[in-house]
Amino acid sequence: GNSVTQMEGPVTLSEEAFLTINCTYTATGYPSLFWYVQYPGEGLQLLLKATKADDKGSNKGFEATYRKETTSFHLEKGSVQVSDSAVYFCALRDPGSGGYQKVTFGTGTKLQVIP
Amino acid sequence: DTGVSQDPRHKITKRGQNVTFRCDPISEHNRLYWYRQTLGQGPEFLTYFQNEAQLEKSRLLSDRFSAERPKGSFSTLEIQRTEQGDSAMYLCASSLSGGGNTEAFFGQGTRLTVV
Repeated sequence: GNSVTQMEGPVTLSEEAFLTINCTYTATGYPSLFWYVQYPGEGLQLLLKATKADDKGSNKGFEATYRKETTSFHLEKGSVQVSDSAVYFCALRDPGSGGYQKVTFGTGTKLQVIP
Repeated sequence: DTGVSQDPRHKITKRGQNVTFRCDPISEHNRLYWYRQTLGQGPEFLTYFQNEAQLEKSRLLSDRFSAERPKGSFSTLEIQRTEQGDSAMYLCASSLSGGGNTEAFFGQGTRLTVV
């Protein structure tokens, strides 16, 4: 079946540090890949997505590139801010799911940014 | 439209009691999803509706769980004879149809605690 593996947290960084959160996946075919963010007390928000190999998703300074050869979708940001503190989920959508959003999520990585 | 809304936000119940949660999707969205998120884990797919039709149910959805979307608008998720293992965050999401690239928007969730 499909699965997503992401690095365990918490990840603690100082403000303006470089962020990488690793994510690898297992899926048949060509899934769409996503990063979701969950701020404290809030629901999940889509941060960025990529739908085919070599696509780069980007939003709010975050980037991730769909690497089919390494089955990876690592999240990066060049300079984190305290407001980026949240839990980040890597996820994939099964290409065989008939077009609807049945999504498989990783376990989440908590990011703490300290001033 | 204020997005996907879930009610209640928090529910504490005694083991063996029945509980019902409500989800109001974004008004023009015809697809609705329920997910369950336990502590330290990513959300897990439970079930999916297209309009009023329930098109897929996960094996996680035991016979104590039932979901409805009677008029293709709001949905309810009922858990009968609750068990401590049902304690989790129950997330609702909605999306438009039209292929796999339509984004699913999540509500803030209902946190259930079974004591």
